[in-house]
Amino acid sequence: DADVTQTPRNRITKTGKRIMLECSQTKGHDRMYWYRQDPGLGLRLIYYSFDVKDINKGEISDGYSVSRQAQAKFSLSLESAIPNQTALYFCATSETPDRAPRELFFGEGSRLTVL
Amino acid sequence: RKEVEQDPGPFNVPEGATVAFNCTYSNSASQSFFWYRQDCRKEPKLLMSVYSSGNEDGRFTAQLNRASQYISLLIRDSKLSDSATYLCVVKRTDYKLSFGAGTTVTVRA
Repeated sequence: DADVTQTPRNRITKTGKRIMLECSQTKGHDRMYWYRQDPGLGLRLIYYSFDVKDINKGEISDGYSVSRQAQAKFSLSLESAIPNQTALYFCATSETPDRAPRELFFGEGSRLTVL
Repeated sequence: RKEVEQDPGPFNVPEGATVAFNCTYSNSASQSFFWYRQDCRKEPKLLMSVYSSGNEDGRFTAQLNRASQYISLLIRDSKLSDSATYLCVVKRTDYKLSFGAGTTVTVRA
C-alpha cells in the first residue's frame, strides 16, 4: 500500500460544485502539502501544514481551503469548482525537522476535471 | 521570468546513449537543488540532490554552476526505464520549493 494515499484518484465534476480531495499518510510525517500540476507548468504549492494546528497559504490558495484533521490527514476543498481548477493535484509529506524541506513524498495524484 | 526554467524536450535517445540537460534558476540566493523523476501519470519521486561539488549516483551525474545559475543532469548508458520527465527543484530563500515544468526523456530500443 502507498504511504501517501489520495482519494479520489479521478473526479469529473461541474462548475459550482463543492469538491473535497483527501490525503492520508502512514509515514508519520508532521509536514503535509497540497500541490497542483498543470501541463507546461511546474508544481505549484496551494497550502501547507507543519502540524495539526498550523495551516499556511501557498502560491495559489485562492479558491481553495484545507483542513488538517489529524497528523495523518490533510484534505483540500474547492468550495465552488471552476474549469481552470482542472488539474492534477498532489498531496505530499516531509519529515525535515528544520524549516527546510528536503525530500517530499508524494501521493499518487488526484486528477480533477471541472466541466 | 519563471523561477526555474527547463527545456521541455523531448530528448529522444537510443539505449546506451548519454543524454544531458540543464535547468536555470533566477534567484542567485537559492540554497539547495534537486532532481525529481516523474513517470507518465505518476507522482514525482526524488532522484538525487545536487551538491556544490557535483555528485554521481550510478549512471546519473548532477552538477551545479552557481555563477551561471544552472544545474545539470547527465544520464550515461541510457536504459529504456530512464524514460520519464525530470523535474528540477530549487529550494528558495524562504525555504519553499520551486519546481520546473520538467524535461522529458524518451529512450528508444
